[in-house]
Amino acid sequence: ETGVTQSPTHLIKTRGQQVTLRCSSQSGHNTVSWYQQALGQGPQFIFQYYREEENGRGNFPPRFSGLQFPNYSSELNVNALELDDSALYLCASSDGGRWRTEAFFGQGTRLTVV
Amino acid sequence: SQQGEEDPQALSIQEGENATMNCSYKTSINNLQWYRQNSGRGLVHLILIRSNEREKHSGRLRVTLDTSKKSSSLLITASRAADTASYFCATFPSGGGADGLTFGKGTHLIIQP
Repeated sequence: ETGVTQSPTHLIKTRGQQVTLRCSSQSGHNTVSWYQQALGQGPQFIFQYYREEENGRGNFPPRFSGLQFPNYSSELNVNALELDDSALYLCASSDGGRWRTEAFFGQGTRLTVV
Repeated sequence: SQQGEEDPQALSIQEGENATMNCSYKTSINNLQWYRQNSGRGLVHLILIRSNEREKHSGRLRVTLDTSKKSSSLLITASRAADTASYFCATFPSGGGADGLTFGKGTHLIIQP
């Protein structure tokens, strides 16, 4: 089991609402990435934070935003929720000093939008 | 968008048999990684192979990489019931930039006791 923790584990929201998901990275890791995994699909990269700055982004609209804090924990915010946002959201931490190395994933937050 | 495709989409074998999964990808890579996911929860890193490597072993796992064919295979030997899971290949592109991993759709492996 990795040292990456995510909260909450499950969440139900109504279309149009806003949601915040949280992630604590593994000790010593300064890079956090977020992924969206729809049912039956592989994870898709949303964005990455390195030392509190977003330094990489996948093909997701601006209503997906994030933060990384000085302790390297992170938040994913999604505004104006749509039904298609229902998915498993995964946070992964890695050591930014070792470029493109393995990622350590949390157990995910399952978001259902109704 | 998905970078790669795993093949087969699903695989069911008897305990003790070997399981082979294949992955194809589209662009030049820095490295390729395999992950396991149990019951739609978090992913567990299994093995990383760099673009200049051709084969790598870790316990019962053997990974090969053919960059000329843009393909990789994962072999699990002497399978166990606990190996039942979904397996994903994921790639980091070559070149600069802060890109995340690009995953395939996965192979669902079922080990029959």
